[in-house]
Amino acid sequence: QKEVEQNSGPLSVPEGAIASLNCTYSDRVSQSFFWYRQYSGKSPELIMSIYSNGDKEDGRFTAQLNKASQYVSLLIRDSQPSDSATYLCAVNPGFQKLVFGTGTRLLVSP
Amino acid sequence: SAVISQKPSRDICQRGTSLTIQCQVDSQVTMMFWYRQQPGQSLTLIATANQGSEATYESGFVIDKFPISRPNLTFSTLTVSNMSPEDSSIYLCSVEYPGRAQETQYFGPGTRLLVL
Repeated sequence: QKEVEQNSGPLSVPEGAIASLNCTYSDRVSQSFFWYRQYSGKSPELIMSIYSNGDKEDGRFTAQLNKASQYVSLLIRDSQPSDSATYLCAVNPGFQKLVFGTGTRLLVSP
Repeated sequence: SAVISQKPSRDICQRGTSLTIQCQVDSQVTMMFWYRQQPGQSLTLIATANQGSEATYESGFVIDKFPISRPNLTFSTLTVSNMSPEDSSIYLCSVEYPGRAQETQYFGPGTRLLVL
C-alpha cells in the first residue's frame, strides 16, 4: 500500500466550479499535512498546511483533515483556468521528512 | 518571501560523468533537503542535508552515488555521480525556515538533468 495516495486524474471542472481534490495516507502517526501546487515545468509551491482535524480556509482554498479516516482534501472554490496544475498532497509521518503522493492533475476549462 | 536558488537550472551530461548541483538560500535555515522527481512521477526524498555532519540518506539512496555537502546554514550541494540515463530527472532542494509553520518545506526552482 502506498503511503500517500491520490487519484492521478485529470480532474476536469468548468471555470467557476468547485474542484475537490482528495488524498489518503497510511501512517496513523502523521501529524502534518500539506498541499502543493506544481505547474508544468515548475517546482512545487506551497498552498496550504493543516495540522488539526476540521477545515482550514485561505482565500479560495479550503483544506479538510480527518485523522480518523486518514483523509485530507483540498477544495478550490470559483476555479480559474490559472488553477490548472498538478496538486501534490504531502504528509509528515515524523522524523522531519515529507512523503508525497503522485499528484492529481486539475484542468479548469474556460 | 523566501528566495531559494539552484545552479545549474538544467544540464545535459554524458553517462559516467558527475554533476554537482548547488542550492543557495537567502537566509539561515534549519533543515535542507534534496528530492528527485523523475519524469511523470512525484517527489522522492534523497537525503536530509545536515550542517556540519554527514547527510541522512533515505532507503535506496547511498552516499557514494549522491554525495551531499552542507558547509553552512544557507548552502548545500548534491552531486550525482557516475551518471546513467536512469538519473535523468529533476533535482530539487527544499528548506525549512526557523520560526515558520512547523515542518513546512519550501522548494527551489529545480535542476533538470538529462543524461545521454
